[in-house]
Amino acid sequence: KNEVEQSPQNLTAQEGEFITINCSYSVGISALHWLQQHPGGGIVSLFMLSSGKKKHGRLIATINIQEKHSSLHITASHPRDSAVYICAVKKGGATNKLIFGTGTLLAVQP
Amino acid sequence: DVKVTQSSRYLVKRTGEKVFLECVQDMDHENMFWYRQDPGLGLRLIYFSYDVKMKEKGDIPEGYSVSREKKERFSLILESASTNQTSMYLCASSPYNEQFFGPGTRLTVL
Repeated sequence: KNEVEQSPQNLTAQEGEFITINCSYSVGISALHWLQQHPGGGIVSLFMLSSGKKKHGRLIATINIQEKHSSLHITASHPRDSAVYICAVKKGGATNKLIFGTGTLLAVQP
Repeated sequence: DVKVTQSSRYLVKRTGEKVFLECVQDMDHENMFWYRQDPGLGLRLIYFSYDVKMKEKGDIPEGYSVSREKKERFSLILESASTNQTSMYLCASSPYNEQFFGPGTRLTVL
């Protein structure tokens, strides 16, 4: 079983819909990252969380440390949000390594 | 802005060839990483380096080696390329928590 699980694996939405992508993990962490990868593009960091909630524009990320769960929400989705969204966790301790989920492929149709 | 560059976006090599993938970062980060990304498997860590001449194996180091002679440059070497090394290779650098990714090199081994 993967230490980081994302759901759903694939998601198709209509423009304007509210979208939620979930991430569950089974290890102790010091931080959780949400990353975005457009087709053929590099990976960019959206959020880094260790507790609570962060918001940037139409994107909101939340984390519940006790439940070992995080969600990424996109409000008023747009076709340019179509991408792979990846959850990654940094384990507690001195290591700087990340453990990655397998990603959620989001397609937002006009 | 942090810039991580990779020597090639696309590369085609033959089985048995020695392959060098180069990664350069311009932010004096101590930590650098090499990943491969395959459909359904997500990003997997091949090797990472936390200082010049220091390296540690990641989750899938077999068939790869690395070199870090200067802080800004981290090279991934495929000693004898095989078809199962066809993949997208991503480099990242990190000061501590957040990782900054390069654009990726799509390597095809024929």
